[in-house]
Amino acid sequence: DTGVSQDPRHKITKRGQNVTFRCDPISEHNRLYWYRQTLGQGPEFLTYFQNEAQLEKSRLLSDRFSAERPKGSFSTLEIQRTEQGDSAMYLCASSVRAQETQYFGPGTRLLVL
Amino acid sequence: DQQVKQNSPSLSVQEGRISILNCDYTNSMFDYFLWYKKYPAEGPTFLISISSIKDKNEDGRFTVFLNKSAKHLSLHIVPSQPGDSAVYFCAAIVGLEGAQKLVFGQGTRLTINP
Repeated sequence: DTGVSQDPRHKITKRGQNVTFRCDPISEHNRLYWYRQTLGQGPEFLTYFQNEAQLEKSRLLSDRFSAERPKGSFSTLEIQRTEQGDSAMYLCASSVRAQETQYFGPGTRLLVL
Repeated sequence: DQQVKQNSPSLSVQEGRISILNCDYTNSMFDYFLWYKKYPAEGPTFLISISSIKDKNEDGRFTVFLNKSAKHLSLHIVPSQPGDSAVYFCAAIVGLEGAQKLVFGQGTRLTINP
């Protein structure tokens, strides 16, 4: 039983470039979450999928951010026209159902220069 | 508006002694709480959880206590081991339906000294 995986683990990009991250949840988990963590803070919720449907988005998710989960399995998070303030750890988590523990992947650390 | 607060940014404990990490919350509607442990450059790892219908949950060296009237929970680790050195996050589940997203505290860095 593999855990949540994320790719890439690290990404360095120049301001204004687009980046895309991938998350593969635990196979039987139909709920998938994206969080962002900045230095000295706890993770903050970005968005949530139940199967392929994106059901909630945080106000933190500006229109430069888009997330998809096309077949209800893996998910992608794209950031367009990156800004230095986007530098953070992007975490993906999955769970089987409501009120169940969310299991996190290792995260993708983004640095925007 | 910080709904989950961990007021101690760091804690240092001697190996073999008890570590007590504290967490306060403001929303009385929270009914499920979790503790996660995080090493540098890794994602949070689930440790233990507690439902609001309980006031204590134990798993090996880890015990979580919930005081609903005080809106306070604590994580006890006994005995503390060097491998316990990490950042610990308290989190609450928000939402009766739908997303049920996690709201995290700021974290407490625990250092276990030999």
